[in-house]
Parts: sequence; C-alpha cells; structure tokens
Amino acid sequence: DAGVIQSPRHEVTEMGQEVTLRCKPISGHNSLFWYRQTMMRGLELLIYFNNNVPIDDSGMPEDRFSAKMPNASFSTLKIQPSEPRDSAVYFCASSGSNRNYGYTFGSGTRLTVV
Amino acid sequence: GESVGLHLPTLSVQEGDNSIINCAYSNSASDYFIWYKQESGKGPQFIIDIRSNMDKRQGQRVTVLLNKTVKHLSLQIAATQPGDSAVYFCAENQAGTALIFGKGTTLSVSS
Repeated sequence: DAGVIQSPRHEVTEMGQEVTLRCKPISGHNSLFWYRQTMMRGLELLIYFNNNVPIDDSGMPEDRFSAKMPNASFSTLKIQPSEPRDSAVYFCASSGSNRNYGYTFGSGTRLTVV
Repeated sequence: GESVGLHLPTLSVQEGDNSIINCAYSNSASDYFIWYKQESGKGPQFIIDIRSNMDKRQGQRVTVLLNKTVKHLSLQIAATQPGDSAVYFCAENQAGTALIFGKGTTLSVSS
C-alpha cells in the first residue's frame, strides 16, 4: 500500500484565492482526519469522517474552511478565501475500525498564503 | 478544554544514552494513548501505543509507561541513536473521538 497520499506537497497562493487540498486514504480504512500543524498551536484536529460522514467539524476555524468526502477513497479540504494566517502544514490521516496502531498520516501539504 | 501536553519542549542526549520523554494529559476519560515520531518534512509516524488497562508496554528499544493516577505518560528510548532525532508527540483519545495531540518534544541526539 502506498500509504495516505496527499496533494499537492507545497502550495503557494495569494490572499483571497481558493485553495483545495486533496487526500487519498489507505484502502480499507473507514476513518479520515484532517489536521493542521503550526509552530504556535501544534497539531490541531480540523474535522474527521467516519464511513464518509463528517462526525466532528468543531475544529474547522470558520466558514472559509470546508471539507468533503464524496467516497471512501478521496477527501478534499477547501479554503475560500484564503488568508495569510491559514499558512500551515495540513495533514490527512486515516485509520481502520479498531484503534490499534493509531492513525497513518500522509506527508502533508505545506500551504503558504502571501 | 481538555489537552495533552509535554513537560519539556527540547531534550538533548548523547548517542547511546537512554532518553525519557514525558507527557501529561488532563482527560481522565481517555483510554488509549499513542506516541508518534515526526521527522523534518514528514508526517507523524506511529511508535507505540498503550491502553488504559495497562501500565507498561514494550517495543523494540522503546517502552511506554502509563500512570493513570497522576495522568502521566512517558516514552523511554534505549540506547538512543542519531536516527532517533525528531519531534515526539503524545496523543490520546477515548472511543468515538479523534486523537488529541500534545505540543511535542524535540529530541536531539549528538554522536
């Protein structure tokens, strides 16, 4: 298995532009998580899905952020409009139905909003 | 709110020494705990986990200790190697919730 695949690896965009981050979880995993990592706040949970259904989106900063999981093999995190304070590394992770071995993380997308 | 934290932001050791990284958690309902390692430019990588019905679990060169009385978790790395240099995070959750991560401890190993 190729693991959790995220794209793009790096994204530089201008303030006000729309940004879409993509994630392909590990085949067979039924939970998917989006985290954001910054020096100041560490790893923060944004949203997680179970069987493609959003379960907890309380970590989504504001209405500018939205996430979808149209099927078991794909999820997107969209920021519209983007702001400089959104600059961070965004990680996607997936896990199976039990809680053994925690989550498998992707390599992340480093977003810079200028 | 609930949080998971680490006692020390940085830890420097010599190659071959044993390392101990500590973590305090505040959610007494948490029943599952994990240690992750994150190398520069990469996502967090699973090291070892422990459930609340245990107080110790060993892996290859790593041991996790859980003290539920004082809500404390530690990671011990035996014979630390330069390749162990990374940021280490503890994380916790209970069934039905997502993992909550601490801020991380940076381990630097000098040879």
